[in-house]
Amino acid sequence: GAGVSQSPSNKVTEKGKDVELRCDPISGHTALYWYRQSLGQGLEFLIYFQGNSAPDKSGLPSDRFSAERTGGSVSTLTIQRTQQEDSAVYLCASSPPTTSGGFFGPGTRLTVL
Amino acid sequence: AQSVTQPDIHITVSEGASLELRCNYSYGATPYLFWYVQSPGQGLQLLLKYFSGDTLVQGIKGFEAEFKRSQSSFNLRKPSVHWSDAAEYFCAVGAPYNFNKFYFGSGTKLNVKP
Repeated sequence: GAGVSQSPSNKVTEKGKDVELRCDPISGHTALYWYRQSLGQGLEFLIYFQGNSAPDKSGLPSDRFSAERTGGSVSTLTIQRTQQEDSAVYLCASSPPTTSGGFFGPGTRLTVL
Repeated sequence: AQSVTQPDIHITVSEGASLELRCNYSYGATPYLFWYVQSPGQGLQLLLKYFSGDTLVQGIKGFEAEFKRSQSSFNLRKPSVHWSDAAEYFCAVGAPYNFNKFYFGSGTKLNVKP
């Protein structure tokens, strides 16, 4: 597709379960970002990947959160032992290396019961 | 540290009226500034951005924004609002070493009256 895609679009899970959220960036975009949008905290930066450089993980809220990017393309955000406060919309964005203003995907709405 | 304030949580304007959404930022250097729009159920779409140069920047959908360093502001404007502009608008500042690492404001929800 032409845009950033994310799957699933909605995920409902029980507290304590692990979840994986997937992001397919725009082809050729070397930069990939994850953000979280929640009622209490607004839009927050989580993690950033740029090419083969070490990711910037400074926004991850706890060690239950991790992300990887395989082959410089698809990224997976994993949340272990989910908590109710993890309920949010998780947004992924990608961009070319020197271009500002990322292209955002539609997000994954995570609900932890 | 960078921060962004959008003082108006909700704004209602009549269709055809002018619009100004306020954004104030806290930043130690020349900021990278952005406005995004989020329609219901949609992802974020970039409206416009400012890096340097002309302080009045034009964006998509007839929007413009003016950077005022003395006021630490980057207000979004549109001369005539359309019903389709109803959405939530986010102002963001980019980190100095990574301009796509955004610090977002809390957003302003725009309602357009017929």
